Amino acid sequence: SQQGEEDPQALSIQEGENATMNCSYKTSINNLQWYRQNSGRGLVHLILIRSNEREKHSGRLRVTLDTSKKSSSLLITASRAADTASYFCATELLYNFNKFYFGSGTKLNVKP
Amino acid sequence: DVKVTQSSRYLVKRTGEKVFLECVQDMDHENMFWYRQDPGLGLRLIYFSYDVKMKEKGDIPEGYSVSREKKERFSLILESASTNQTSMYLCASRPGTGFQETQYFGPGTRLLVL
Repeated sequence: SQQGEEDPQALSIQEGENATMNCSYKTSINNLQWYRQNSGRGLVHLILIRSNEREKHSGRLRVTLDTSKKSSSLLITASRAADTASYFCATELLYNFNKFYFGSGTKLNVKP
Repeated sequence: DVKVTQSSRYLVKRTGEKVFLECVQDMDHENMFWYRQDPGLGLRLIYFSYDVKMKEKGDIPEGYSVSREKKERFSLILESASTNQTSMYLCASRPGTGFQETQYFGPGTRLLVL
């Protein structure tokens, strides 16, 4: 299946440390998106990176995309307790508008 | 800000009941989606719609149908609810036709089928 796979499944760090999450996928994509989900709530969009982009930044977030390895990483710098959430990557298949595939997520716990 | 609302946060239904989940977006988005989310499986696409009265199957449409009579509203229907449809249901909307556009999610409906 095309489903993205996040790694690690769970991550526990101290406030102020950096958190890195990885996502791998199987087939060619239009774009890759990262979302955050606080416990029991809807998903909030963080960053979209297109297939022809290699890196994007948004505040404390940095996303990289390596289409040759079919992988992406999300880096959260100087983490805060409020960053505690699950993080999902989602891929939109090449030439398949609106067909999104989500991974099962990385659960991040930031300890104060 | 984009707002996507879902009719219920929690719902309890009996096996065999017909269930309607409603989703409304207020930003004139062309595209709307229904996903279900289960532990360890991430989000899976049930159906999406790119225009009024238009719909396309996602990966797991069996046991579900959808309706989009107005642009702002997208309904998910469980014709005869079963226990394996107990899940978190998430609605999303997306503007336009560009691949650079993201999805905006509602808060989710947690459905329990007894």
